[in-house]
Formats: sequence, C-alpha cells, structure tokens
Amino acid sequence: DTAVSQTPKYLVTQMGNDKSIKCEQNLGHDTMYWYKQDSKKFLKIMFSYNNKELIINETVPNRFSPKSPDKAHLNLHINSLELGDSAVYFCASSQGYNSPLHFGNGTRLTVT
Amino acid sequence: AQSVTQLGSHVSVSEGALVLLRCNYSSSVPPYLFWYVQYPNQGLQLLLKYTSAATLVKGINGFEAEFKKSETSFHLTKPSAHMSDAAEYFCAVSDRETSGSRLTFGEGTQLTVNP
Repeated sequence: DTAVSQTPKYLVTQMGNDKSIKCEQNLGHDTMYWYKQDSKKFLKIMFSYNNKELIINETVPNRFSPKSPDKAHLNLHINSLELGDSAVYFCASSQGYNSPLHFGNGTRLTVT
Repeated sequence: AQSVTQLGSHVSVSEGALVLLRCNYSSSVPPYLFWYVQYPNQGLQLLLKYTSAATLVKGINGFEAEFKKSETSFHLTKPSAHMSDAAEYFCAVSDRETSGSRLTFGEGTQLTVNP
C-alpha cells in the first residue's frame, strides 16, 4: 500500500544511453512532481504536473522529458545521459497547491 | 523569489539533549513553511507545516517549530533527542501565490545523536 512508488530504485547506465524512471501514486492527488537531489543533498524541483497538465518546468536540459499518462502516473525519460545526470531523483505528489508533498523513496541514477 | 537558509550543515547532540535546527526564510509574500526529514536511502517525510494559523506548530515525533515573522525564522526544536532522530532535516518555503507547490528547499542539516 505504498503511497508514492517509483521504479527502479537503482539505475546504473553508461553515458549516451536513454533511460526512464516510473512513478505512481495511489493517494488520489492531483499534482505530481519530479525533484533532483544532488550529491550534496540539495533538492531542486524539475517538473510539476497538475491533472496531466505541465505547470512547472524549471530550467532543465530538454534531454529530460516528463510524461503523465494519467494523474496517478508521472514518468521521467532521459535521453543521451551524461555524467552530471548522476543524482537521486524523487517523485512526489500533493493534493492541490501549497499542500505538503508526499515523496517516493527515490531512484539513484549513476551514469558511468 | 523565495529562499531558505539553514544555519549549520551538521548538528551533533547527545541523546536526551535539546535539538535546535535553524531555518531562516526570505519571501516577498506570506509564506507557507515546512520541515521535512530524510532517513538514509528514503524519501522525505513531512514533520510539520506552517500555513498562517498558530505560530507554534507541533509535528510528529515530538518536534515543533515556531514561526517568527520579525526574525524571518522557522527553527525546529525537540526537547529531548532520541537516537532514532538521526537524519537529514530540510526546511522548505512555498510562495502562496505561485501555481503548484513550488517548494524551495534549504541545503539540509545532518543531525547526529550521540549516545
């Protein structure tokens, strides 16, 4: 009965590859997010979707493309992976604006 | 634009001692403020939130925080630390007037609890 689940938990891949991270929430929330946590544990928002509509798109390379097939799912596809993409990526959801976020357990991406 | 500063990237206390984690915010509008905790290899969990009701906010696990507008602070405290409190703590601010929960996080404070 995990509230926000993301897969895979660990992802090790080589530079230049394309990979996807999947996220699903069973909380009935309208809004979902992707956050990136770097090696110094700094968290920064990447994207936010509300009812499948993109509402926040921070300055990230266009190699990163989120996709929301329905309001319970928000996937992140990354093309042409680079070393600097290595980080922990967190999916989160919330009910409406300025409500607390519920986070998944993260996907640790390592690009070699 | 809003921002958050957490003073002290590492705080170490003895078990049973007072825990004080500092957070100062900057926001052009009245903010929503949050404290989150992150245990190793896990996502963030909400400890407590301030949304303009009482200025003293009580959260889970015995933590509380006080919103002080004059000091632009939202420090997190716990009277008596437990070993299980060892974790990374993040303060976050949300601008009420932006669409979506655009949380801006502080850089985090690693709390170590010594036996």
